Amino acid sequence: QKEVEQDPGPLSVPEGAIVSLNCTYSNSAFQYFMWYRQYSRKGPELLMYTYSSGNKEDGRFTAQVDKSSKYISLFIRDSQPSDSATYLCAMSPDNYGQNFVFGPGTRLSVLP
Amino acid sequence: DVKVTQSSRYLVKRTGEKVFLECVQDMDHENMFWYRQDPGLGLRLIYFSYDVKMKEKGDIPEGYSVSREKKERFSLILESASTNQTSMYLCASSTGTPNPYEQYFGPGTRLTVT
Repeated sequence: QKEVEQDPGPLSVPEGAIVSLNCTYSNSAFQYFMWYRQYSRKGPELLMYTYSSGNKEDGRFTAQVDKSSKYISLFIRDSQPSDSATYLCAMSPDNYGQNFVFGPGTRLSVLP
Repeated sequence: DVKVTQSSRYLVKRTGEKVFLECVQDMDHENMFWYRQDPGLGLRLIYFSYDVKMKEKGDIPEGYSVSREKKERFSLILESASTNQTSMYLCASSTGTPNPYEQYFGPGTRLTVT
């Protein structure tokens, strides 16, 4: 079993749809949870982050962490064609900024 | 504006060649990383460095070495390139506390070994 699992997609949705992206993990030591967005031919960029369990909202994006189920989600409301990218979840057990484990990424296409 | 730069966007090398990939960051970060990214496998850590001249093996260090002689520069070396090292290589840097969430990535080097 991989430490972090993520459906690779591709996921295609019409503009305006609500998108749900998910990751599961096996290591209960993870405390820091991140979502990175990677556009084609670019490096990943941090999109959202949460510490421990709970929800966090930033504009059209909501990140949720359920540590009891070892499950994290990213919701995108009113999706736009500019949201088309690969979304990678990432997790870390500590605050050293070193021990990141990335999911394989989900490729999302938002169709106009 | 924070920046991580990589020496080449695209590189084509022959089997057996020694390959150098260079990465420079301008944020005075302690930590620097080399990943490779392959479809379906995601980002896999090759090596990271937490200080000048210090390095730690990641998940897939075989066939690679690294060098960090200055804080801002981290080099990845393929001692004898092989076709299974054809991949996208991404460099990243981070500072940890007070920002433990973010690694800053370069644009990547797409390496093809023929």
